[in-house]
Amino acid sequence: DSGVTQTPKHLITATGQRVTLRCSPRSGDLSVYWYQQSLDQGLQFLIQYYNGEERAKGNILERFSAQQFPDLHSELNLSSLELGDSALYFCASTRIPGGRTEAFFGQGTRLTVV
Amino acid sequence: DAKTTQPPSMDCAEGRAANLPCNHSTISGNEYVYWYRQIHSQGPQYIIHGLKNNETNEMASLIITEDRKSSTLILPHATLRDTAVYYCIVNLFSGGGADGLTFGKGTHLIIQP
Repeated sequence: DSGVTQTPKHLITATGQRVTLRCSPRSGDLSVYWYQQSLDQGLQFLIQYYNGEERAKGNILERFSAQQFPDLHSELNLSSLELGDSALYFCASTRIPGGRTEAFFGQGTRLTVV
Repeated sequence: DAKTTQPPSMDCAEGRAANLPCNHSTISGNEYVYWYRQIHSQGPQYIIHGLKNNETNEMASLIITEDRKSSTLILPHATLRDTAVYYCIVNLFSGGGADGLTFGKGTHLIIQP
C-alpha cells in the first residue's frame, strides 16, 4: 500500500459527459501529480500541484482541469469526454516538489468512455 | 530531460539474477537515475535511485558506469512476482521546469518458472 488513495477505481461513462477523479496523497506529502496511461501512449504526465498551487503542466488537454484543495487532496476533471480518453489515470505524491525523492503512486482509476 | 534506452523485453529464470540495462548517454552531471516498475496495470512502484555511486536496497542494486552513460538494475533472486515493466528514468524531479516523470516504454521483464 503506497498510501495514495484514488477513487473511484472504475468509471464507465458516455461520450460528451464530464467526470471527476479524486486523489488523496500520502500523509504529509504536499505535491500531487496526475498521469494518464493509455494502451498506445504509455504513461504521460498531465499536471502537478504543490500546496494548492499549480506547479507544472505536461500533456494535458484543455478539456481537462485539476485542482488541489486546502486539505491537499486533488481532483482531476475531464469534460466533453471522447472515446480516446479511455485510459488509466494515476495520481502520485511526493513530500516536496523537485528534490531527489521517490514518488508514491495510487492504484489508478480506470476510465472507460463508451 | 535526458532520454533513456531500454530493451523492450527480457526473460529471466526464477531464482536467477535479473540484470536490466539502461542507456542514458546524454545524462548531465546533476541528474539522477531512477528505476520504477509497474506490475500489470497497477500504479508504478519506486525501486531505487542513484547519482554516481552504486546503490543497494532491499529490493535491488543499481550499478552506474563511471562515465554515467549507462546503468544496470539488478534483482538478485528474481521471483515470479517480479514480472513487470521496468522503467529507467533520468532527471526525475529536477526542481526546475516541469517536475513530472518522463516515462519511456520500459523493459517488460518476464520471470520464467
